[in-house]
Amino acid sequence: EDQVTQSPEALRLQEGESSSLNCSYTVSGLRGLFWYRQDPGKGPEFLFTLYSAGEEKEKERLKATLTKKESFLHITAPKPEDSATYLCAVPPDGSGNTGKLIFGQGTTLQVKP
Amino acid sequence: NAGVTQTPKFQVLKTGQSMTLQCAQDMNHNSMYWYRQDPGMGLRLIYYSASEGTTDKGEVPNGYNVSRLNKREFSLRLESAAPSQTSVYFCASRRRTGTNEKLFFGSGTQLSVL
Repeated sequence: EDQVTQSPEALRLQEGESSSLNCSYTVSGLRGLFWYRQDPGKGPEFLFTLYSAGEEKEKERLKATLTKKESFLHITAPKPEDSATYLCAVPPDGSGNTGKLIFGQGTTLQVKP
Repeated sequence: NAGVTQTPKFQVLKTGQSMTLQCAQDMNHNSMYWYRQDPGMGLRLIYYSASEGTTDKGEVPNGYNVSRLNKREFSLRLESAAPSQTSVYFCASRRRTGTNEKLFFGSGTQLSVL
């Protein structure tokens, strides 16, 4: 069964304290790994797509990396406004439909000033 | 620039009642999706529509029906609501230009079935 597992479930950081979120997946024919950010009471918002092992993408204090079985979302010197739930998702095996996604349960990040 | 618009934002139903969740996008996207989000379960795909006139089941379609009314609109219907359908429902549309692929989500409908 295709699965996406995120860890930790929750993470509390002090402002400026860097850390990483993990997303591991079991699909064998990866057709993209997606990171989304979700604020309370809102829909997920797209952050990154990674397609092949070794690929990296950056946006402000966030950097996403991909290996053959997992992805990391690195947060450098986070600010309180980075507090949100971060979701990881992949299309299931054999599916080229990148809107038809398997989501992990998310990591809820809280950054304290 | 509205993006993906969902109505209503909140709804309370009694067991056995029916209702339709509405979704519209103004980005001229072909593909649209309905997901539900439950605590501890993550987002799960209910139904999707790859293009106008087509619909397909996702991971959790039981108890739901959908209609792709036109390119803009994709509705989700609960014919006889059950407490297990208490959830937050998200509609999304997909932009796909080369390798630049991503979903745009609406703000969600919080549904409670008593």
